[in-house]
Amino acid sequence: GNSVTQMEGPVTLSEEAFLTINCTYTATGYPSLFWYVQYPGEGLQLLLKATKADDKGSNKGFEATYRKETTSFHLEKGSVQVSDSAVYFCALSIRNTGNQFYFGTGTSLTVIP
Amino acid sequence: KAGVTQTPRYLIKTRGQQVTLSCSPISGHRSVSWYQQTPGQGLQFLFEYFSETQRNKGNFPGRFSGRQFSNSRSEMNVSTLELGDSALYLCASTPEGTGGFSYGYTFGSGTRLTVV
Repeated sequence: GNSVTQMEGPVTLSEEAFLTINCTYTATGYPSLFWYVQYPGEGLQLLLKATKADDKGSNKGFEATYRKETTSFHLEKGSVQVSDSAVYFCALSIRNTGNQFYFGTGTSLTVIP
Repeated sequence: KAGVTQTPRYLIKTRGQQVTLSCSPISGHRSVSWYQQTPGQGLQFLFEYFSETQRNKGNFPGRFSGRQFSNSRSEMNVSTLELGDSALYLCASTPEGTGGFSYGYTFGSGTRLTVV
């Protein structure tokens, strides 16, 4: 089947630390991969995406590379800020499956000054 | 450009009642999907509509239903509410038939439903 596995949280980092949130997937077809972020009391916001192998998605200092050989899409940021505190969700979508997304369980990140 | 609008933001209902939630997608977006978010189960897919047709449905009981109108606005209905239906219900839209695969979704802020 289709599924996404994220590293367990919560994650607590000091400001300016390096961030990695691991994400691996299984897919019955050829997926697109996404990272979404959810701030308290809000819906999900698309952070970045990659639609084919070796693509790198990037936005607001965050990056993730679509690695087909390791079925991974790890999220990284070189220097986190307090404002990055949120829950991060990895997700995949398979072409021609009615736009259904499969989400990971989410990783809560807290950045302390 | 207006985002995805969900109404109401908060709702409190009693067990056994029914509820209707509304979603207005981004103008021009024809695909609308619904997700239920709970602390225990995470984000679970409810259903997806494209051009007024339900194309895909998740593993939810028949008490959960939805529809889409010609202007792409969508509603979901939950009948005979149970305590376990308490959740954040998220609506998301994408431009076209395979938009989720290519562009991702734009989510609304959600409707927080509490069943007492």
